[in-house]
Amino acid sequence: EVQLVESGGGVVRPGGSLRLSCAASGFAFHDYGMTWVRQAPGKGLEWVSGISWDGGSTGYADSVKGRFTISRDNAKNALYLQMNSLRAEDTALYHCGRTIGGGATTPFDYWGQGTLVTVSS
Amino acid sequence: DIQMTQSPSTLSASVGDRVTITCRASQSVGSWLAWYQQKPGKAPNLLIHKASSLESGVPSRFSGSGSGTEFALTISSLQPDDFATYYCQQYHHYSTFGQGTKVEIK
Repeated sequence: EVQLVESGGGVVRPGGSLRLSCAASGFAFHDYGMTWVRQAPGKGLEWVSGISWDGGSTGYADSVKGRFTISRDNAKNALYLQMNSLRAEDTALYHCGRTIGGGATTPFDYWGQGTLVTVSS
Repeated sequence: DIQMTQSPSTLSASVGDRVTITCRASQSVGSWLAWYQQKPGKAPNLLIHKASSLESGVPSRFSGSGSGTEFALTISSLQPDDFATYYCQQYHHYSTFGQGTKVEIK
């Protein structure tokens, strides 16, 4: 069974940093691209970032480019999102997802329950 | 970013109706377009990728069409389980979601 479990969310002041993690199990992690998607309460989906199966290709939404960094550790079956210079508009539930194929930006077929990031003074 | 615009934002329909949701891209995305269904509190369910390829296990009443900048998701005969919010996603250049279309009971 595919499982994706996010952690690392919390309350942070504007300008602060957080590092999100996603622990993957139940599939060959090293064969799949991964993505971060966020959803503010009551709002729609927003693609944040993606990474290819080998980490060689990454992508970012314009809203987070230069502030967020995606990475992965295939030996640990783990995905990360380093978030710097956080803003109020980054407040959302952050989900990691497994993409179909090995791509960084291809659609996702599984996602985790999410970790809540709240940016507030 | 490529902007994705869905219409309508809300759609009221009855069981058995044929329903079409459209998605327009601000520039061509080829056929790199996916559709998801999301119910409250649940993960999105991938319905269609590459504009018209139905995911395994998705009922055949769902179909996707289009290319370039204009796309459509059609439900041929709306079922009670289909009342949900639907999103399109382009993955031609990075990725962007549409704002969503809520299909509600008329």
